[in-house]
Amino acid sequence: AQTVTQSQPEMSVQEAETVTLSCTYDTSESDYYLFWYKQPPSRQMILVIRQEAYKQQNATENRFSVNFQKAAKSFSLKISDSQLGDAAMYFCAYRSPRGSTLGRLYFGRGTQLTVWP
Amino acid sequence: GAGVSQSPRYKVAKRGQDVALRCDPISGHVSLFWYQQALGQGPEFLTYFQNEAQLDKSGLPSDRFFAERPEGSVSTLKIQRTQQEDSAVYLCASSFKGGLAGGENEQFFGPGTRLTVL
Repeated sequence: AQTVTQSQPEMSVQEAETVTLSCTYDTSESDYYLFWYKQPPSRQMILVIRQEAYKQQNATENRFSVNFQKAAKSFSLKISDSQLGDAAMYFCAYRSPRGSTLGRLYFGRGTQLTVWP
Repeated sequence: GAGVSQSPRYKVAKRGQDVALRCDPISGHVSLFWYQQALGQGPEFLTYFQNEAQLDKSGLPSDRFFAERPEGSVSTLKIQRTQQEDSAVYLCASSFKGGLAGGENEQFFGPGTRLTVL
């Protein structure tokens, strides 16, 4: 089974500064999808950004960007110009596009991000 | 409604009681997933439906857990004879496509049901 590791249980950043959250994964597949989800205290899981493994270009969504290193099986999230509303638990997730897993997500244990004013 | 809804938001049960958790996916979504999120952990897959067919139930932790989606829309996760280790947030997610074509489609999550077993 695929495993996703987030080695930083907690991170903090000053408002307007930049922070990077780390994620590594283990898979034998060559084609897959990677995601970062944000979970605020309301528990609603919100998709932040996604990356298709076959694309070499790193995904970006406004202030959020990823550093995808396929050979190293690394997928970090960079948040620029951090805002107070970015404070939440962030989960890295893996999904296989085919086979018996049928789209199930494999999540890491999460990184709690605190944003200081 | 525009999003996935779940009810109840909170459920307290005494050990040994049966509980039923409801998920209303986004209208027209083919795929429906249930995940279990223990305190301080990431969500873990429980089961998957494509329309009314339960195609994967490999994540259900025991035969006390049962899920159904009889008409291909609303789904219910039932836990019989609840135990303290069942205490967790139960998340439901839906996506538009199903099957092998569904892997790239975004999963939209509900707010979850927090189950506490005393």
